[in-house]
Amino acid sequence: AQTVTQSQPEMSVQEAETVTLSCTYDTSENNYYLFWYKQPPSRQMILVIRQEAYKQQNATENRFSVNFQKAAKSFSLKISDSQLGDTAMYFCAFSPGGGADGLTFGKGTHLIIQP
Amino acid sequence: DGGITQSPKYLFRKEGQNVTLSCEQNLNHDAMYWYRQDPGQGLRLIYYSQIVNDFQKGDIAEGYSVSREKKESFPLTVTSAQKNPTAFYLCASSPLAGWSSYEQYFGPGTRLTVT
Repeated sequence: AQTVTQSQPEMSVQEAETVTLSCTYDTSENNYYLFWYKQPPSRQMILVIRQEAYKQQNATENRFSVNFQKAAKSFSLKISDSQLGDTAMYFCAFSPGGGADGLTFGKGTHLIIQP
Repeated sequence: DGGITQSPKYLFRKEGQNVTLSCEQNLNHDAMYWYRQDPGQGLRLIYYSQIVNDFQKGDIAEGYSVSREKKESFPLTVTSAQKNPTAFYLCASSPLAGWSSYEQYFGPGTRLTVT
């Protein structure tokens, strides 16, 4: 069974700063997918970024980028030029490749962007 | 607009009653999922289905039941056997092929309160 650990229950930064959210996971799979989801106060889950384990290049989506370290089983999310609208819960999630057996989520990091 | 709908947004029931949560998608996705979210917790998988008339238990299936009679619909019944049913329930769907394969798209959720 896979596990996903987010060690930062809450983080707070000033607007326009850069912030990094940590995620580690444990799996015996070699092929898998990793995701970061954002859950704002509306509670709607929004996909932020995805990474395929077989790709060495780190994924980037505008101000969001990841640092994927496969050997260390680490998948951190970097948010550059943070904005007030980035305030939300952020969840790291794991999916084994080759199937659709559901996601395993971490417990989340509550990110607060201060004006 | 394509998406996932869950109804109702808030649901109240008396202890001992079964209750069914609705989930409909018009994204033509093959797979559908139910997750439960409790305060301070990540999402936990209840049931999932990759094809009509077939479904599998997730990590916390006890006290729940599902059906998948149509591709678009995946209702979840919370039975009286579920010991702590009060929670936020999220439905998701996923394509199983193509660029966005295994990404999960979430509905707005249903907040169930049992007293």
